[in-house]
Amino acid sequence: DIQLTQSPSTVSASVGDRVTISCRASQSVVTWLAWYQQKPGRAPNVLIYKASTLGTGVPSRFSGSGSGTEFTLTINGLQPDDFATYYCQQYSGQVTFGPGTKVEVK
Amino acid sequence: QVQLVQSGAEVKKPGSSVKLSCKASGGIFSTHAISWLRQVPGQGPEWMGGIVPLFGSTTSAQKFQDRVTISADASTSTLFMEIRNLTSGDTAVYYCALRRTVPGWFDPWGQGALVTVSS
Repeated sequence: DIQLTQSPSTVSASVGDRVTISCRASQSVVTWLAWYQQKPGRAPNVLIYKASTLGTGVPSRFSGSGSGTEFTLTINGLQPDDFATYYCQQYSGQVTFGPGTKVEVK
Repeated sequence: QVQLVQSGAEVKKPGSSVKLSCKASGGIFSTHAISWLRQVPGQGPEWMGGIVPLFGSTTSAQKFQDRVTISADASTSTLFMEIRNLTSGDTAVYYCALRRTVPGWFDPWGQGALVTVSS
């Protein structure tokens, strides 16, 4: 299976900050990568698919980039609703998810 | 609008089985793949397997192949997953989710069902 690692595991940020989360794959997944946001007690919600395509209804402050083994999720101008845990997921091989990055209030 | 509604929480004994359900609405049941995933608290989701109801074809992650059966009832647009021989390691929130493409990402997800395995 393709392993995904995320860094950092936790990021402390303030409203208005630019937040960057990294996802690294153990082998190339081309651009077959998605990002999700999850809030406590709720199911994950897709933000980005195919590495950089914004999901339906997702605010434009979210963006994704990367290819191969290195990917980045960026939140430009963090909003109160964005404090949550973020996961990357690859679908090049059998689906796997990263361990998550928690965005918490600084 | 596509919606997936799951059955409720379950408490089971080790060695027993559980059968979860997921009812789909929005006209997608027969034409899309639907997957089951689980999430242990504090960890990322884990894909367990899926089905394309139109064809009845299923696929499962290797670690679950011996204990999991995925099925669908087209007449009620409902997906099922049975897990046998439960252990405490199966305690998790279980989700069904629509797979937009195969391979692909998951959107939307059901609301989740907590399965607790405890003696």
